[in-house]
Amino acid sequence: SQTIHQWPATLVQPVGSPLSLECTVEGTSNPNLYWYRQAAGRGLQLLFYSVGIGQISSEVPQNLSASRPQDRQFILSSKKLLLSDSGFYLCAWSVLFTYEQYFGPGTRLTVT
Amino acid sequence: SQQGEEDPQALSIQEGENATMNCSYKTSINNLQWYRQNSGRGLVHLILIRSNEREKHSGRLRVTLDTSKKSSSLLITASRAADTASYFCATYQIQGAQKLVFGQGTRLTINP
Repeated sequence: SQTIHQWPATLVQPVGSPLSLECTVEGTSNPNLYWYRQAAGRGLQLLFYSVGIGQISSEVPQNLSASRPQDRQFILSSKKLLLSDSGFYLCAWSVLFTYEQYFGPGTRLTVT
Repeated sequence: SQQGEEDPQALSIQEGENATMNCSYKTSINNLQWYRQNSGRGLVHLILIRSNEREKHSGRLRVTLDTSKKSSSLLITASRAADTASYFCATYQIQGAQKLVFGQGTRLTINP
């Protein structure tokens, strides 16, 4: 069966510090991978998606970047965090764009 | 702007009652999906209904889709305390960016 992992679960970082969130998927090959951000009490905003190694599409201009160094690994990064980067970050995968998505447990990021 | 808009934003009912949540969207879709999110957790896929389907069932869940009205409803029958969660609809559009667009969600509380 497929599983998706995210870490860390929670993170408190000062403004201006770097960020690296990691997501890995097990039990499937060549998945579509997604990074979302969710503000408190709100819906999901798609940040990045990837259809293959090294292929990253950005949905919104922002202080973040993503990379896919391996087939089942997706990394969200920032060189310098802003207060506005605080939120709940979710990684997800799907077989194809039109299929259902499977989400990881999320990372709660607080920038202070 | 958001493709999917849930209604109501919050719903509180007694255990054993039925819960109905609605979702409206703006453009033609390939499919519509419903997800559940327990507080502080990742989203869980519940059901996917394609644009050529009108109704779908899964256990205590019943989803309807009316493409002429661009709306969908999620019915949870015989609610349980464990159904307390936020419920999101997400639409996959026929044209435009290949992504799921999530609504803001309905916060459902089941009172024992």
